[in-house]
Amino acid sequence: QKEVEQNSGPLSVPEGAIASLNCTYSDRGSQSFFWYRQYSGKSPELIMSIYSNGDKEDGRFTAQLNKASQYVSLLIRDSQPSDSATYLCAVVGGYQKVTFGTGTKLQVIP
Amino acid sequence: ETGVTQTPRHLVMGMTNKKSLKCEQHLGHNAMYWYKQSAKKPLELMFVYNFKEQTENNSVPSRFSPECPNSSHLFLHLHTLQPEDSALYLCASSQDDGTSGVLSTGELFFGEGSRLTVL
Repeated sequence: QKEVEQNSGPLSVPEGAIASLNCTYSDRGSQSFFWYRQYSGKSPELIMSIYSNGDKEDGRFTAQLNKASQYVSLLIRDSQPSDSATYLCAVVGGYQKVTFGTGTKLQVIP
Repeated sequence: ETGVTQTPRHLVMGMTNKKSLKCEQHLGHNAMYWYKQSAKKPLELMFVYNFKEQTENNSVPSRFSPECPNSSHLFLHLHTLQPEDSALYLCASSQDDGTSGVLSTGELFFGEGSRLTVL
């Protein structure tokens, strides 16, 4: 079982729609959760962090965490073509190790 | 501009060459990392330096040799690499709050990467 799992996509959504990106993790001792955005040919950029159960909103982005289900998601409202990128989920586990998923490629269609 | 600078951005080398990748961070962070990114694979942690001390070596072959002379600079020395080592090598930094001997934050700031091709 992969430590951090993401659907590789591509996930295609029309401009203005809500994009929903999902991530599951295997380490129940995980403490911190992050979403990184990586444009093609560029390096990952941190866009959201979440540490406790529930929702965290930042502009058009909402991170959702459910530790009981070992599930973290990222919602992007009013998706724009500039949101087209690969989104990486990262989890800090019980041994303080950062583990990344393979990423979900998002395509926002104008 | 993330405050983490990597050079060179692109490198082509033969299997018998020796080369080095350089990373410099201007963020005042105390932890620096080397990651390897290959197609369709998750980011792989290679090395962690915390307060200039190597705190993790993630079973990386000895043909990769890190060096961290101070908390702002990190090098990755490459020697007798294999074609399967071709990948994007990313340097990152973070501010470790010191509560853990290893790593206590996933808030990483990445450089633009060095694209390595081994012929």
